[in-house]
Amino acid sequence: KQEVTQIPAALSVPEGENLVLNCSFTDSAIYNLQWFRQDPGKGLTSLLLIQSSQREQTSGRLNASLDKSSGRSTLYIAASQPGDSATYLCSVTGAGSYQLTFGKGTKLSVIP
Amino acid sequence: GAGVSQSPSNKVTEKGKDVELRCDPISGHTALYWYRQSLGQGLEFLIYFQGNSAPDKSGLPSDRFSAERTGGSVSTLTIQRTQQEDSAVYLCASSSGPVYEQYFGPGTRLTVT
Repeated sequence: KQEVTQIPAALSVPEGENLVLNCSFTDSAIYNLQWFRQDPGKGLTSLLLIQSSQREQTSGRLNASLDKSSGRSTLYIAASQPGDSATYLCSVTGAGSYQLTFGKGTKLSVIP
Repeated sequence: GAGVSQSPSNKVTEKGKDVELRCDPISGHTALYWYRQSLGQGLEFLIYFQGNSAPDKSGLPSDRFSAERTGGSVSTLTIQRTQQEDSAVYLCASSSGPVYEQYFGPGTRLTVT
């Protein structure tokens, strides 16, 4: 059974800092990995999707990497802003299942 | 175009009652998913629909839970004889295919009293 772990569970940084969120998964047989953000009381907003054949994806200040063989992904946020404060969720689509398996998230607070 | 919509946004019901939750996916998306988010369990997969294929119901927690998708578009998740442990946020997502990016709705917060 696929398990997804996110470290740290919570992170507080001053505005302007660069930061890295970590995600690991136990079964490397995946179709893709997707990072989401969730604001309190809201649904999930997709940030980046990395297909299993890709190594990284970039969108603005966000960069996500994928090392499928070692079961790891990182989400890099450059020049953090207070508006980046949210919970960040990592998910993988298992090969043959099409369902997303989620980590429990990293709650990020960016202090002005 | 419009994103995934869900209704109601909030639902309070008494233990033992049946509830129906609705999801309108993005137009043209063939894949539709239901997930449940609760404090203790995080986000859990419930059920997946792809086109006219038989749905993947492997995540449904009990036979009190069922879902249907009519005309390949709107989906309804039904919970019969609700229990307090059913209290959670129920999220719907859709995608243009089974391994493409999933787009989530705002969720329905269900509270069973």
